[in-house]
Amino acid sequence: AQSVAQPEDQVNVAEGNPLTVKCTYSVSGNPYLFWYVQYPNRGLQFLLKYITGDNLVKGSYGFEAEFNKSQTSFHLKKPSALVSDSALYFCAVRTYGNNRLAFGKGNQVVVIP
Amino acid sequence: DTGVSQDPRHKITKRGQNVTFRCDPISEHNRLYWYRQTLGQGPEFLTYFQNEAQLEKSRLLSDRFSAERPKGSFSTLEIQRTEQGDSAMYLCASSPGDSEAFFGQGTRLTVV
Repeated sequence: AQSVAQPEDQVNVAEGNPLTVKCTYSVSGNPYLFWYVQYPNRGLQFLLKYITGDNLVKGSYGFEAEFNKSQTSFHLKKPSALVSDSALYFCAVRTYGNNRLAFGKGNQVVVIP
Repeated sequence: DTGVSQDPRHKITKRGQNVTFRCDPISEHNRLYWYRQTLGQGPEFLTYFQNEAQLEKSRLLSDRFSAERPKGSFSTLEIQRTEQGDSAMYLCASSPGDSEAFFGQGTRLTVV
C-alpha cells in the first residue's frame, strides 16, 4: 500500500518569509514523489517531482523540495513566499510501474501580506 | 490551449439520472487517468488507460461507473443512476508514459 501524510491542515506565513509544507510518505519500494498546487475551482498544477538522483529537486515558481529517505519525507519549500502562493498544496506518491498516485489531504497555504 | 480539457466544467443532475463527462488529454499522451476529489480531501484514483486499453480500476469504481477511451484519444466517464454520494470533482489527467501526470480543470458534479 502507498500513502501520504500532510500533517498540517493550514500553513500561515508572512509574505517574504520562508514557506515549508510538510509531507511524509509510505510505500513498498522506491518512491516517485510529486507536489501539485490547486487554486480555487481549478485542476491540479504540477510543481515538481523526485524520481531518482539529487535529493534536492527544483521546480516551478521558485519551489523546491528535499527528499529524505531515512525520514520518508518530501517537504516543499520556498525561500520567500508571495501572496500569490496562497493555494492548496498536495503531495503524492507512487512507485515504478504503479499507475495510481496516492495523494495526501492537502495543505492550505495562506500568505499574509 | 494544449492542456487537458474536460467538459462540462459543472453538472447539476437529479438523483437517479445518468451523466457523462468527457476528457481530451494532451495530444500524444498515451496514458489517461480519472480521479475523484471530494471537499477537503486529496484526489482518489478511479481508473487508468494506456492507449485504448483500460488497465486498472479502483474499487471506488462501482458497477454504476463506466469509462471508455475508444480510439486511444479522448475518454468518457459515465455514471448511471447517480446518487448524492457521487457529488464530487472528477479530474482527468494524462501523461506521456511513466512520467508526471497533467491534470485538467475538472468537472464538478452536484447530485440533488
